[in-house]
Amino acid sequence: AAGVIQSPRHLIKEKRETATLKCYPIPRHDTVYWYQQGPGQDPQFLISFYEKMQSDKGSIPDRFSAQQFSDYHSELNMSSLELGDSALYFCASSLDGRTYEQYFGPGTRLTVT
Amino acid sequence: AQSVTQLGSHVSVSEGALVLLRCNYSSSVPPYLFWYVQYPNQGLQLLLKYTSAATLVKGINGFEAEFKKSETSFHLTKPSAHMSDAAEYFCAVRFKIQGAQKLVFGQGTRLTINP
Repeated sequence: AAGVIQSPRHLIKEKRETATLKCYPIPRHDTVYWYQQGPGQDPQFLISFYEKMQSDKGSIPDRFSAQQFSDYHSELNMSSLELGDSALYFCASSLDGRTYEQYFGPGTRLTVT
Repeated sequence: AQSVTQLGSHVSVSEGALVLLRCNYSSSVPPYLFWYVQYPNQGLQLLLKYTSAATLVKGINGFEAEFKKSETSFHLTKPSAHMSDAAEYFCAVRFKIQGAQKLVFGQGTRLTINP
């Protein structure tokens, strides 16, 4: 069965640069969630989209923005990167905004040097 | 306040022994509860979930968890540990925060299996 796809899997950026992470949900899933997992930390919810509209917002810094496109894929844009942004970024998808049935992607590991 | 607490950041058991990973939550309404497993350098994989049906939930890889409302617990168990069970395990709870449903994770428990 198709799963959530994230790209790139690994990304290295320098401080103050920008980064764009992409998430392709499971086919027919219309809801996307973004999480940030710092080293040795539990995943923290950043933001979610349902039917291309922002549905919920968590602890997403103002330097970050995200959107969901007409094909339901989502992109997380991160600007003015800081060392503390180094983390594993997960995307999850679900159908009809069902937060209790989220399927997670493999994550993008971002390293800021 | 709504929270999820996993007791023990590291648990070590021998191969073939019982696995018990503890999770407690605080919530004023019946929650939805989940256990996820994360293998090194991989994403989160859903092991099992409780959504107000049977209190004993069976998941993949021989794991199961029991929802105990009186104890506000959702501990994860497996009768006999296998080397392949070594991973990080996260308990998660769906809370309603400021009008929105959110998935909140516990701090995680790293399970080590000794041969």
